[in-house]
Amino acid sequence: QPVLTQSSSASASLGSSVKLTCTLSSGHSGYIIAWHQQQPGKAPRYLMKLEGSGSYNKGSGVPDRFSGSSSGADRYLTISNLQSEDEADYYCETWDSNTRVFGGGTKLTVL
Amino acid sequence: EVQLVQSGAEVKKPGESLKISCKGSGYSFTSYWIGWVRQMPGKGLEWMGIIYPGDSTTKYSPSFQGQVTISADKSISTAYLQWSSLKASDTAMYYCVKWDYWGQGTLVTVSS
Repeated sequence: QPVLTQSSSASASLGSSVKLTCTLSSGHSGYIIAWHQQQPGKAPRYLMKLEGSGSYNKGSGVPDRFSGSSSGADRYLTISNLQSEDEADYYCETWDSNTRVFGGGTKLTVL
Repeated sequence: EVQLVQSGAEVKKPGESLKISCKGSGYSFTSYWIGWVRQMPGKGLEWMGIIYPGDSTTKYSPSFQGQVTISADKSISTAYLQWSSLKASDTAMYYCVKWDYWGQGTLVTVSS
């Protein structure tokens, strides 16, 4: 079963960029993942599906400021031109034929 | 427009049963897996299990196997999550999710 590891917290200044990392466990480096955003007090929102090749497919209405990339077992979510509404928890998710799993989430603070 | 609309908040006592629902619209309900996710207060997201409404194939996360039952009624495009005997530790927000859309969540509070 795959395991996803995320840093517990990150911070960046308004208008800057930040790159969040999600690392797949050994033996699962080729897995596709999804990124989800959860703003305070709200339901999560799907952001994108991200392949090991770095190709990504964003959800409906997700701003252009959000992009994805990959390197080996690492999957990245980059947010450019940070806005106050980007302050949220970000979760990565992956799956195989029998199970689905989330990472522990990264709490992003916009300074 | 794809929507997943969940039933309202519930307050229950330990030992009681409960069934919450998630109604899908705006897409072919029988063609996509729907899952249930638990979020305990102040904690992260946990997958509970998923169901394929087309044939009711269901898969549970090991942590939730035997603790809950997931079902679906494709005639009314609705998925369900149910408990036969609630515990205080079941207090949480529960979300249904198609792979790219989330329900608004159902808060379940279990307290004596």
